[in-house]
Amino acid sequence: AQRVTQPEKLLSVFKGAPVELKCNYSYSGSPELFWYVQYSRQRLQLLLRHISRESIKGFTADLNKGETSFHLKKPFAQEEDSAMYYCALSGRGGYQKVTFGIGTKLQVIP
Amino acid sequence: DTGVSQDPRHKITKRGQNVTFRCDPISEHNRLYWYRQTLGQGPEFLTYFQNEAQLEKSRLLSDRFSAERPKGSFSTLEIQRTEQGDSAMYLCASSLGGLTTYEQYFGPGTRLTVT
Repeated sequence: AQRVTQPEKLLSVFKGAPVELKCNYSYSGSPELFWYVQYSRQRLQLLLRHISRESIKGFTADLNKGETSFHLKKPFAQEEDSAMYYCALSGRGGYQKVTFGIGTKLQVIP
Repeated sequence: DTGVSQDPRHKITKRGQNVTFRCDPISEHNRLYWYRQTLGQGPEFLTYFQNEAQLEKSRLLSDRFSAERPKGSFSTLEIQRTEQGDSAMYLCASSLGGLTTYEQYFGPGTRLTVT
């Protein structure tokens, strides 16, 4: 079974402070990990995926297979980062479903 | 192409009635997903298609739920004999398909309220 755990439903940080949104996963094989974001009144959209190893909008995420984690980080939070963030997982090989976590609401306080 | 579209955006129905939702994916995407999202939860996987083939179906999808994707284009999700517990946002997403899991593009969702 595949499972994604986001332990925090709400994370409040001040503008300019570092952000870390936690994601832990359970999967028996090699996973593909994603972070999706939903801004207010907008659709769910991809933020980043681990195989791309990119930094998007200043966010990065590193897959730690030993700790089965894929935490999302940003060194300095901006007000426009306020949104719902969902961690998601699928197996490799193409024909795999995607499992989402319950999401963390990030609130950046001006 | 303006992205993934879903119709209707809102549906209010009485318990026991049947409802059908439609999803139009991005035209070149051969993979299509359905999710259900309730308040305070992330999207829960229901089913997905590769072209017209339904590849996996969640145990969440009872016999009252059926999904189709004729000709590998648009998809419909039908709920028969609706129950109050079916009230949720139903999301559709599409993506390219292949040997990896590609970015999913989500529609705006259909909000179902069962009274």
